[in-house]
Amino acid sequence: LAKTTQPISMDSYEGQEVNITCSHNNIATNDYITWYQQFPSQGPRFIIQGYKTKVTNEVASLFIPADRKSSTLSLPRVSLSDTAVYYCLVAWDFKTIFGAGTRLFVKA
Amino acid sequence: EAGVAQSPRYKIIEKRQSVAFWCNPISGHATLYWYQQILGQGPKLLIQFQNNGVVDDSQLPKDRFSAERLKGVDSTLKIQPAKLEDSAVYLCASNRAGGLAGTDTQYFGPGTRLTVL
Repeated sequence: LAKTTQPISMDSYEGQEVNITCSHNNIATNDYITWYQQFPSQGPRFIIQGYKTKVTNEVASLFIPADRKSSTLSLPRVSLSDTAVYYCLVAWDFKTIFGAGTRLFVKA
Repeated sequence: EAGVAQSPRYKIIEKRQSVAFWCNPISGHATLYWYQQILGQGPKLLIQFQNNGVVDDSQLPKDRFSAERLKGVDSTLKIQPAKLEDSAVYLCASNRAGGLAGTDTQYFGPGTRLTVL
């Protein structure tokens, strides 16, 4: 099973773009990359998923280089409400493993 | 569409007591997951059901934890007897799990916060 490595924490200011990079060096051919967001006292919530190149939705963008050994979640113009823990997962065939995640703290 | 329901939201017990958690997944979701999340850590998968069958329970401490999903809908997770280290949030999630399972979004419930004294 592919495992992921993310920074433990990041700080940002309101209005800035935040990029969180995840390493998954042993990603398998069939693995997809999925990001979840978790607020205190809530369950994780799906943000975005991709297989290669770039994916964009109304919340974030996900950049995946050709070798797929890493991925970057990009949050445009963050606000205080984006303060949360962000998890990068690599999942295929019913297997999902959450790492410790990245704690993003957005300051005013 | 109703989300994943869990109860109770909070539970405090003493060590060696028993406790049970209930989860009702989103209607039509075939796959149900139970996770344990210790403070400061990511969720750890305990058990995964596909309909009423177990897909993965490799990380379930089977000497004290049990789970069932008898009719392929709602599920119960039980701990008997509880230990201090079982203090955590227990999260239930579900997804459709059709086709490429790895691409199916998991929908999480609010969790049950267990404190073992």
